[in-house]
Amino acid sequence: AQSVTQLGSHVSVSEGALVLLRCNYSSSVPPYLFWYVQYPNQGLQLLLKYTSAATLVKGINGFEAEFKKSETSFHLTKPSAHMSDAAEYFCAVTYSGNTPLVFGKGTRLSVIA
Amino acid sequence: EAGVVQSPRYKIIEKKQPVAFWCNPISGHNTLYWYLQNLGQGPELLIRYENEEAVDDSQLPKDRFSAERLKGVDSTLKIQPAELGDSAVYLCASSTGQGDTGELFFGEGSRLTVL
Repeated sequence: AQSVTQLGSHVSVSEGALVLLRCNYSSSVPPYLFWYVQYPNQGLQLLLKYTSAATLVKGINGFEAEFKKSETSFHLTKPSAHMSDAAEYFCAVTYSGNTPLVFGKGTRLSVIA
Repeated sequence: EAGVVQSPRYKIIEKKQPVAFWCNPISGHNTLYWYLQNLGQGPELLIRYENEEAVDDSQLPKDRFSAERLKGVDSTLKIQPAELGDSAVYLCASSTGQGDTGELFFGEGSRLTVL
């Protein structure tokens, strides 16, 4: 069974600083990996996804993530944090469209002015 | 294109009362999901539909929870009777179905508070 582990339930960065949110996955077959963002009192919105094409994936709002098979990681980064990036971020994994996404517990990102 | 629509957005009930949540997926999406999100946690799957068939309901507490998707379009999730521990956000999501990459499109959720 596949799973994801998000390291750090809360990350705090200064505005303009690098954002790094960590995600490690466990899957017995090549995975599809996703990052979703959830703003307060809203549903989840897709940031980016890895589906076995390019290992460096670019998403919306300046975020990107790199699939590293050797490290079983799919960390999310953004070069310069903005106040509007403050939200909850979820990493998720599946291995086909026939199986549901399995989500991590989430990382809450705070951005300090 | 309209997104996934859920109602109500918020519901407050007394314990032991029934409650129902409604979801209308994106047009043409054959697969519909109900997820449970507890405070500070990631979403957890309750049930997945392929058209009108529930293909994965292993995590649905069947003693008090039920769901239906009669015509393979919109869906209703019901809890009867509600317990204090059911306070959470109930998220509906949809996808195009088999052969896709697993990307889900979520509604804004229905937040349940049981007093």
